[in-house]
Amino acid sequence: GAGVSQSPRYKVAKRGQDVALRCDPISGHVSLFWYQQALGQGPEFLTYFQNEAQLDKSGLPSDRFFAERPEGSVSTLKIQRTQQEDSAVYLCASSLGPTAYEQYFGPGTRLTVT
Amino acid sequence: GIQVEQSPPDLILQEGANSTLRCNFSDSVNNLQWFHQNPWGQLINLFYIPSGTKQNGRLSATTVATERYSLLYISSSQTTDSGVYFCAVEAGTASKLTFGTGTRLQVTL
Repeated sequence: GAGVSQSPRYKVAKRGQDVALRCDPISGHVSLFWYQQALGQGPEFLTYFQNEAQLDKSGLPSDRFFAERPEGSVSTLKIQRTQQEDSAVYLCASSLGPTAYEQYFGPGTRLTVT
Repeated sequence: GIQVEQSPPDLILQEGANSTLRCNFSDSVNNLQWFHQNPWGQLINLFYIPSGTKQNGRLSATTVATERYSLLYISSSQTTDSGVYFCAVEAGTASKLTFGTGTRLQVTL
């Protein structure tokens, strides 16, 4: 079956612009996660949804970051007034259940802020 | 929060060699996964292994949960094995994965 998909794959934004990154999880997966991966580092957790409920947003670096999953499937990560430090790869993952289930990752969106 | 450390940080192998990658974690875990991040950035699931031993072709993994470590074995390495290997754990009530520092593997001809 289809895996996790993300779009766009690459995004270049000028500092101060707003961006929206999309994630399509594996069909039927309850849990959805967003991670941020800086160059040369491991992915770091941003936020977690169980169905449409955002249960953990402790990793969002500032109030410029906002995520939603209104119908419990597709999710959007929005970054307002982008800054250069937001340049990173944004990874989405989904899993069948809420905890202790295998997470599957999408290909990521590489965001470059100029 | 939980700490996850991987060793070695970098590894260069000649094709055909075997290797062992280690992941140490600081607390009990509900979930442990090994990933291979290929040169294009895709995280590929290798093993879901909170405890015990699993094998898949040339790869195998063992997690000793009581001693808080996991090992990934790569046998008869190939150039396509190059990339970064991550261990990631889920601990406590948090559903998120905490990633280790990674091992960068380069397999040469």
